[in-house]
Amino acid sequence: GDSVTQMEGPVTLSEEAFLTINCTYTATGYPSLFWYVQYPGEGLQLLLKATKADDKGSNKGFEATYRKETTSFHLEKGSVQVSDSAVYFCALSPRAASKLTFGTGTRLQVTL
Amino acid sequence: GAGVSQSPSNKVTEKGKDVELRCDPISGHTALYWYRQSLGQGLEFLIYFQGNSAPDKSGLPSDRFSAERTGGSVSTLTIQRTQQEDSAVYLCASSSTSGRVEQYFGPGTRLTVT
Repeated sequence: GDSVTQMEGPVTLSEEAFLTINCTYTATGYPSLFWYVQYPGEGLQLLLKATKADDKGSNKGFEATYRKETTSFHLEKGSVQVSDSAVYFCALSPRAASKLTFGTGTRLQVTL
Repeated sequence: GAGVSQSPSNKVTEKGKDVELRCDPISGHTALYWYRQSLGQGLEFLIYFQGNSAPDKSGLPSDRFSAERTGGSVSTLTIQRTQQEDSAVYLCASSSTSGRVEQYFGPGTRLTVT
């Protein structure tokens, strides 16, 4: 079945540091890929998505590129802020209107 | 516009009691999903509705769990004879099926079984 593997957390960074959170997936066909974020005390929010190979999703300074050859969708940000502290979830969906399969989540803590 | 709403936001119940959790999807979204978020299991899919029918119930953990959707809108997740392992945050999401794949999540219902 489909699965998503993301790096264990927590990840602790100083403000303005470079962020990478690794995500790899196993799926048949060409799934859509997502990063969701959960800020403390809040619900899951879509951060970015990519629906086909080589697509780059971007939002709020975060980027991720759909790499079919390495089955990866790593999340990056050039300069993190304290306000980016949250739990980040990588997810996939095999097609529209089907379930999301999530990774275990990576907690990011950014300090001054 | 209004997002996905869920009620109640918190529910404490005694072991063995039945509970009902409600989800109001984004207006016009025909697809509706239930997920569960717990410390030990992460985010797990429970059930998916397309309109009022449920083509994928594969994530329901036992026959104590059931869900329905009426009028292609509101959905209710029912847990009968609750157990302590049912304690979790139950999340509802909705999506449009007009070619867009992203799902929009509600704030969740935190269920605590004592």
